[in-house]
Amino acid sequence: DIQMTQSPSSLSASVGDRVTITCRASQGIRNDLGWYQQKPGKAPKRLIYAASSLQSGAPSRFSGSGSGTGFTLTISSLQPEDFAAYYCLQYNSFPRTFGQGTKVEV
Amino acid sequence: QVQLVQSGAEVKKPGASVRVSCRASGYTFTTYGITWVRQAPGRGLEWMGWISPYSGDRSDAQNFQGRVTMTTDTSTSTAYMELRSLGSDDTAIYFCSISDGGSVDHWGQGTLVTVSS
Repeated sequence: DIQMTQSPSSLSASVGDRVTITCRASQGIRNDLGWYQQKPGKAPKRLIYAASSLQSGAPSRFSGSGSGTGFTLTISSLQPEDFAAYYCLQYNSFPRTFGQGTKVEV
Repeated sequence: QVQLVQSGAEVKKPGASVRVSCRASGYTFTTYGITWVRQAPGRGLEWMGWISPYSGDRSDAQNFQGRVTMTTDTSTSTAYMELRSLGSDDTAIYFCSISDGGSVDHWGQGTLVTVSS
């Protein structure tokens, strides 16, 4: 199985900050990676697919980069509604695997 | 519009089984595989498995092999996930979802399963 190592597990930030979250795959997954945002009590929402493509409806302050084994989610200017948990998911092979998650807090 | 509507909350005793349903609408049911994901209280997302309503192909996460059965009913556009031999650590919200490698990504509202004696 492909292991996804996500860091940090949590971070403290302020409105307007630039925030970066990383995921590393245990083996190459091309660009078969998505980034999800989840707020308490809600279903996850995908922000990025194919490592760097912005999901329809997702704000343009979210961007993704990377290929192979190293990936990054960047929030260019953190907004109040962005305080949430974020997860990467590899869909290169079965079983799919999520990163452990990053909680973005004030 | 695409909707995935899941069955309601369940309370089960240890050792019992639970079946969660996910009724799809707004698209051709056989177009996308159904993925099941769960989230225990205060924990991260855990991928459980996937099934194709078109072919019946499926993949289960190793943590659940032998305990989970995923099925689909194309006549009602409904997917089912049955988890057996429940323990307290199966207390979680269970989600169904559809996605592709592109822009499609839709989730059900989640079903809370509580395992308690």
